[in-house]
Amino acid sequence: GAGVSQSPSNKVTEKGKDVELRCDPISGHTALYWYRQSLGQGLEFLIYFQGNSAPDKSGLPSDRFSAERTGGSVSTLTIQRTQQEDSAVYLCASSPRIQALGETQYFGPGTRLLVL
Amino acid sequence: AQTVTQSQPEMSVQEAETVTLSCTYDTSESDYYLFWYKQPPSRQMILVIRQEAYKQQNATENRFSVNFQKAAKSFSLKISDSQLGDAAMYFCAFDNYGQNFVFGPGTRLSVLP
Repeated sequence: GAGVSQSPSNKVTEKGKDVELRCDPISGHTALYWYRQSLGQGLEFLIYFQGNSAPDKSGLPSDRFSAERTGGSVSTLTIQRTQQEDSAVYLCASSPRIQALGETQYFGPGTRLLVL
Repeated sequence: AQTVTQSQPEMSVQEAETVTLSCTYDTSESDYYLFWYKQPPSRQMILVIRQEAYKQQNATENRFSVNFQKAAKSFSLKISDSQLGDAAMYFCAFDNYGQNFVFGPGTRLSVLP
């Protein structure tokens, strides 16, 4: 597609359930990033991928969060045993290269997650 | 670690007027990039403008320009001839070696007709 797409657009789940959030980056983009935006807050960096590899997972908030990327394209962010504090907008971005200073990141529209 | 501060949680401007949004940052690096992104109610983050620290000249994109003061670590965004469509959250961001962006908390801009 022309831009970064994310699905679902909105997700409502019950506390304790697992959720999967999907990101389709711009075709050919090597780098992929996940951010979390809590209500009225800035963006919190979660993880980035260089190809299918995530060199640094320290930004993930807890071990309930995991992410993977396959085929150098689609990425999935999984939250296990969701908690109410996980409610936020999860934004995905991609860029042509990783660790290339000044590279613009192109963002998707985000997934709004609400944990009841 | 890099930090980005936006001291104005909310700003408003009259349509057709000019407004300046503030951003300061902290880094020990000498070469880096700074960005301004706009997030309208649709949630889609849109690049507004970017600046390389080594360039003396302030970046300009149509009605948007920056005042980059490297020594003061300041990177303000000026919007001229404000339009209703400029109403959004504006985020200042620091490029952390191309690994991730460090974002400020954002400034909500309202444009009054």
